[in-house]
Amino acid sequence: QKEVEQDPGPLSVPEGAIVSLNCTYSNSAFQYFMWYRQYSRKGPELLMYTYSSGNKEDGRFTAQVDKSSKYISLFIRDSQPSDSATYLCAMSPGGTGGFKTIFGAGTRLFVKA
Amino acid sequence: EAGVTQFPSHSVIEKGQTVTLRCDPISGHDNLYWYRRVMGKEIKFLLHFVKESKQDESGMPNNRFLAERTGGTYSTLKVQPAELEDSGVYFCASSQVLGYNSPLHFGNGTRLTVT
Repeated sequence: QKEVEQDPGPLSVPEGAIVSLNCTYSNSAFQYFMWYRQYSRKGPELLMYTYSSGNKEDGRFTAQVDKSSKYISLFIRDSQPSDSATYLCAMSPGGTGGFKTIFGAGTRLFVKA
Repeated sequence: EAGVTQFPSHSVIEKGQTVTLRCDPISGHDNLYWYRRVMGKEIKFLLHFVKESKQDESGMPNNRFLAERTGGTYSTLKVQPAELEDSGVYFCASSQVLGYNSPLHFGNGTRLTVT
C-alpha cells in the first residue's frame, strides 16, 4: 500500500467551476501537508502548506486537512484556464523541507474556457 | 533571484553509458535535494545535502548513482552505467533552512531517457 494515494485524473472542468482535489494517506506521523502545482515541462511549485488539521485559505485556494480521516483536500474556486496543471499533494513528518517528504502521484486538471 | 537551474534539460543515452546531471541551487540555500520521477510514478526522494555533506542518501536506488556537491554550491548526479529503469525526470530542489517555513524550490528537471 502506498503511503499517499492520489487519483491521477485527468479531471476536466469548465471555467468558473469549483475544483476539489484530494489525497489520502496512511502514515499517522505526517504533520505537514503541502500542495504543489506543476505545469508541463516545469518543476513543482509550492502552492500552500498547512500544519496538522484545519483549513487554510489563500485567494481562490483552500487547503483542508482532516487527520482523523487521514484525508486532505485542495479546493479551487472560480477556476481559470491558467489553473490547468498537475496538482501534487505532499506530506512529511517534519517541516516543508525536502527530507522525508512523500508525494502523491499528482492529479492532472484541465480547465476549459 | 535566479531559481534552481538544472542542466541538461533532456538527455538520451544508451544502456551502459554514463550521464552526469547538474544542479545549481538558489544562491545561499544550504539544503539541496535530488528527486526522481519515473513514468507513471510519484516523485521520490533520492538524497539531501546540507552544504557539501550528504545528510540523507536513503533514497538512492543503488551504487550506480553518485551524487556530489563540491564546495557546497552546485551538485552533480552521475549515473554509471545507466540502465533502462533509470529513465525518468530528475528534479533538483533547494531550501534555505530546514523546518516548517522553508519550502522546496524545484528546478525544471532533467528528462533522462535510457534506450
